[in-house]
Amino acid sequence: DTAVSQTPKYLVTQMGNDKSIKCEQNLGHDTMYWYKQDSKKFLKIMFSYNNKELIINETVPNRFSPKSPDKAHLNLHINSLELGDSAVYFCASSQGDRNTEAFFGQGTRLTVV
Amino acid sequence: AQTVTQSQPEMSVQEAETVTLSCTYDTSENNYYLFWYKQPPSRQMILVIRQEAYKQQNATENRFSVNFQKAAKSFSLKISDSQLGDTAMYFCAWTGNQFYFGTGTSLTVIP
Repeated sequence: DTAVSQTPKYLVTQMGNDKSIKCEQNLGHDTMYWYKQDSKKFLKIMFSYNNKELIINETVPNRFSPKSPDKAHLNLHINSLELGDSAVYFCASSQGDRNTEAFFGQGTRLTVV
Repeated sequence: AQTVTQSQPEMSVQEAETVTLSCTYDTSENNYYLFWYKQPPSRQMILVIRQEAYKQQNATENRFSVNFQKAAKSFSLKISDSQLGDTAMYFCAWTGNQFYFGTGTSLTVIP
C-alpha cells in the first residue's frame, strides 16, 4: 500500500488556468506538508497542516490555497497559474514529533505553458 | 534563523570507493533530529539515515554512516563501497517545527 500518494504525477496546463493536486496519506500521521522543488532542486516548504489546522504558511502567493478535508488529505489548489509555478510539488506527512521522518509522495511535475 | 547548508553542489566517486557528503546547520535548540534523504532520478524522496542530537553515538545503516559533531553543528554522511544505485541527490534535513532541508548534493557514482 502506498503511504503517501499524490495525483496526478504529471500536469501540463496553460497560463491562467486553475488546477488542483491531491494528496492522501494512510499512515495516520498528524502533520502534512507541501513542498515546492524548483529546477535547481531546492526544496521549499509551502504549507504545513497539523490536525487540519494550518500551522505554517511561508511566503507563498495567495493563488496557492491548501485544503484539508480531514487529517489524511491535504490538497493544493492553484489559481491563475503562471510560468514560474512550473516545478515539482511534493506532499509529505509525519507524525509531528521531531524524531519521526517525513514520508513523501512521488511528486507532481507541474509544467505551465 | 534555522538553516541547513550543504557546501558541495556536486560530487563524484568511483564505484566501490568511499565518499563523504558535508552538512552543517544552525540552531539554538538542544534537542532535535537530523536526517539524510536520497532523491534518485525517479524523484522519490527516500530516508537514508537518522540521528538523534542527544545521542553521541553516530548512526549507521549498512553502508551509510554519519559523523555527527554537535558542538560544530556538523552532520556529514559517509557512503562506503559506493554502488551505481547510490547516484542521486542527497539532502540533509533538520527538524524543528518543520523539516528544514539543505540545498542538496548531486552524487554521481562512476563505473
